[in-house]
Formats: sequence, C-alpha cells, structure tokens
Amino acid sequence: DADVTQTPRNRITKTGKRIMLECSQTKGHDRMYWYRQDPGLGLRLIYYSFDVKDINKGEISDGYSVSRQAQAKFSLSLESAIPNQTALYFCATSGRQGSYNEQFFGPGTRLTVL
Amino acid sequence: TQLLEQSPQFLSIQEGENLTVYCNSSSVFSSLQWYRQEPGEGPVLLVTVVTGGEVKKLKRLTFQFGDARKDSSLHITAAQTGDTGLYLCAGFNSGGSNYKLTFGKGTLLTVNP
Repeated sequence: DADVTQTPRNRITKTGKRIMLECSQTKGHDRMYWYRQDPGLGLRLIYYSFDVKDINKGEISDGYSVSRQAQAKFSLSLESAIPNQTALYFCATSGRQGSYNEQFFGPGTRLTVL
Repeated sequence: TQLLEQSPQFLSIQEGENLTVYCNSSSVFSSLQWYRQEPGEGPVLLVTVVTGGEVKKLKRLTFQFGDARKDSSLHITAAQTGDTGLYLCAGFNSGGSNYKLTFGKGTLLTVNP
C-alpha cells in the first residue's frame, strides 16, 4: 500500500465550485505539505503544516485553504475554483527525525477547472 | 529568496549515451536532494548530498555536490529508457524553524530506444 495517498486522482470542475483534495499518510510523519506543479514553473508550495496545530502559508496560498484534521490527514480546499488553478497538486510528508527534510510525495491530483 | 536553476530544461538522447544535468544557485545550501518524477506520479527521492565535494553513486547515476555547496550535478552513464523522467533538485537549509525545500524547475529527460 502507498505511504501517501491522495484523492481524487483526477477532477474536472467548473469555475466557482468548491473543491476539496484530500491527503492521507501512513508514514507517521509530523510534517505535511501541499504543492502545485505547472509546466515551466516547477513545484510551488501552497501550505505546510508541522503538526496538527500548526498551519503555515507557502508562496502561493491565495485562493486556497487547508485543514489538518489529524496527524495523518491534510486537506486542501479551493473555495471558489478558477481556471488558473488548473494544475497538478501534490501532497508530501517529511519526518521530524533526520535533518534534511527529505520529502515523500503522493501520486498527485490532476485538477482541471473549466 | 533562494533560487535553484536547472539545466538543460529538456534533454532527448539515445539509449546508451551518457548525460549530465546541472543544478546551480548563488546561495549556499546545507544539503541538496535529487528527485525523479515519472509521468502520472509524484517525485521520488533519489539521493541527498550533504558535504561540499561529496560524490554519491546510485548504480549508473552519479551525484556530486559542489565544493561551495551552491551547485550539484547528476551524471547518468549508459542511459536506459527507464531513466526517462523529470529530474528535480531541491535545496535545504537547516537551522531555525524554516524547514522548507527550494525546488528547481527540473530537467525533462527522454531516453529513446
């Protein structure tokens, strides 16, 4: 079984709709992250959380919100989706142990906003 | 803001050829990671280099961290079609409460049979 899972894997929605992307992990890691990936722009950090009570904005948080429901679950919401939020979205985790912040990624969600 | 530049952005070669991709910055990093991402999947960590001048080998892949810890390279010997993918470097600085990675934009490698 995958250590980091994301649901859904693919989603097509319309402008203005509310969307939630979910991430679950079985690695026992404290730190969780949401990234989006766009061609030519690489991976950009949206939000990150170092534990259940800690939520931090990344470099592109406008238009997004997150919820850390438990150590193992971190969800990303688009309150009112717009076409330029069409992208690949990745959840990642990293452990407190070790000092290099090596990250483990989920398989991604391909989101299309029409 | 720390930036990592990767070159080339795209690389298409024939099976059996050798290649090198580069990851450069004007900033010093405590460590640098390389990831490979295959189509339809998330990035997977290949290696972490920590010490300036360090060289690590992973089968046909050789990773080097620059002496000044501002740059890194990935060399693939006798490339195979299974090496096709997006190669990402990511820099990390320890200390303080900032544990974010800085990612490069990647090198998209295609190995043709």
